[in-house]
Amino acid sequence: QKEVEQDPGPLSVPEGAIVSLNCTYSNSAFQYFMWYRQYSRKGPELLMYTYSSGNKEDGRFTAQVDKSSKYISLFIRDSQPSDSATYLCAMTGGTSYGKLTFGQGTILTVHP
Amino acid sequence: DAGVIQSPRHEVTEMGQEVTLRCKPISGHDYLFWYRQTMMRGLELLIYFNNNVPIDDSGMPEDRFSAKMPNASFSTLKIQPSEPRDSAVYFCASSPTLAGGFNEQFFGPGTRLTVL
Repeated sequence: QKEVEQDPGPLSVPEGAIVSLNCTYSNSAFQYFMWYRQYSRKGPELLMYTYSSGNKEDGRFTAQVDKSSKYISLFIRDSQPSDSATYLCAMTGGTSYGKLTFGQGTILTVHP
Repeated sequence: DAGVIQSPRHEVTEMGQEVTLRCKPISGHDYLFWYRQTMMRGLELLIYFNNNVPIDDSGMPEDRFSAKMPNASFSTLKIQPSEPRDSAVYFCASSPTLAGGFNEQFFGPGTRLTVL
């Protein structure tokens, strides 16, 4: 079993929809939780991160962490075609200090 | 800043040949990471360096893979001999010194490797 599980999708939604992306993990030492966005044929770029449990909002994006359930989510409101990309969750903490463990990535397409 | 630079961007080679991938991290970054990405396995960490010293190479698949970082501005990932199952996109990433336990990793554009 992988340390981080993420449904690879693909996920296809109409423009304006609310998108929910999720990851589960097994390592309770993880403390930092990140979402990276990767456009086609590009490297991943950090979208946002949270520390420990709670919510963080940045424009149309909201990240949630529930450490008790070992479950993290990324919500995209009013999705746009420009949001079409692969979204990867990533985590670090404890003995994995310094390196990130990534989920497999969810392919998202937002169609006009 | 030009960001993380990788070369070549594309590499097509035949099974058994040696392949060398190159990376120039962002100036001032202390950490350098090599990843491999495939559809089946996602993004996998192969090895990472701190101040040019390899810290964790547990992700290197086998002895055919080796990585070096002779100085703070250059790293190589070598595959010898290459096999078709090595076909993937290889990313290099760098990050600054950890601050409070979190480090944003900045990724290069990747090298798309095809082994025939």
